[in-house]
Amino acid sequence: EAQVTQNPRYLITVTGKKLTVTCSQNMNHEYMSWYRQDPGLGLRQIYYSMNVEVTDKGDVPEGYKVSRKEKRNFPLILESPSPNQTSLYFCASSLAYGEQFFGPGTRLTVL
Amino acid sequence: KQEVTQIPAALSVPEGENLVLNCSFTDSAIYNLQWFRQDPGKGLTSLLLIQSSQREQTSGRLNASLDKSSGRSTLYIAASQPGDSATYLCAPYGGATNKLIFGTGTLLAVQP
Repeated sequence: EAQVTQNPRYLITVTGKKLTVTCSQNMNHEYMSWYRQDPGLGLRQIYYSMNVEVTDKGDVPEGYKVSRKEKRNFPLILESPSPNQTSLYFCASSLAYGEQFFGPGTRLTVL
Repeated sequence: KQEVTQIPAALSVPEGENLVLNCSFTDSAIYNLQWFRQDPGKGLTSLLLIQSSQREQTSGRLNASLDKSSGRSTLYIAASQPGDSATYLCAPYGGATNKLIFGTGTLLAVQP
């Protein structure tokens, strides 16, 4: 089944404890992105990648890192999480200029 | 900077009604536009993708139109059902940053 998977789906952590949210797609898509969704602010792009080893900042990149070492994986790294990074996170993938497919989301709470 | 507005913000209709959700965007230089549905606390499900060269796209009871020059898209839902209750989001895609710009959403409730 063609899909985008994210892990973990739910995470509660404490300020400053490094964490990684994984994202994987099995559709051989070049493009991948991370978004966060917050009440009243909607969905905003954090980082994106046009291909392996090619990443760039989105609208709200502060406090996040990404890497794209393989085409199928695009992990989101929070080196020192803070409470303002409490949010619902989505990974998405697509072919160039194509339909974007979203993962199921990761609900992160930073205490 | 692309701005996307969806009207109405919320809508409640009885089962069986046909309805139209509206989306407007300020920058017409888009490659495509996607409509999604989102159930509370859940992920985004892609409903329809309209390429900039297309005028409309249909999937089952859903029909989406695109008027790129005027910056508008509509999502038509025929014979609505309670299972259609969700938030509907439109998102034009500009290309350069692989970024979808999401609208504010329309919260739809279909009453049995």
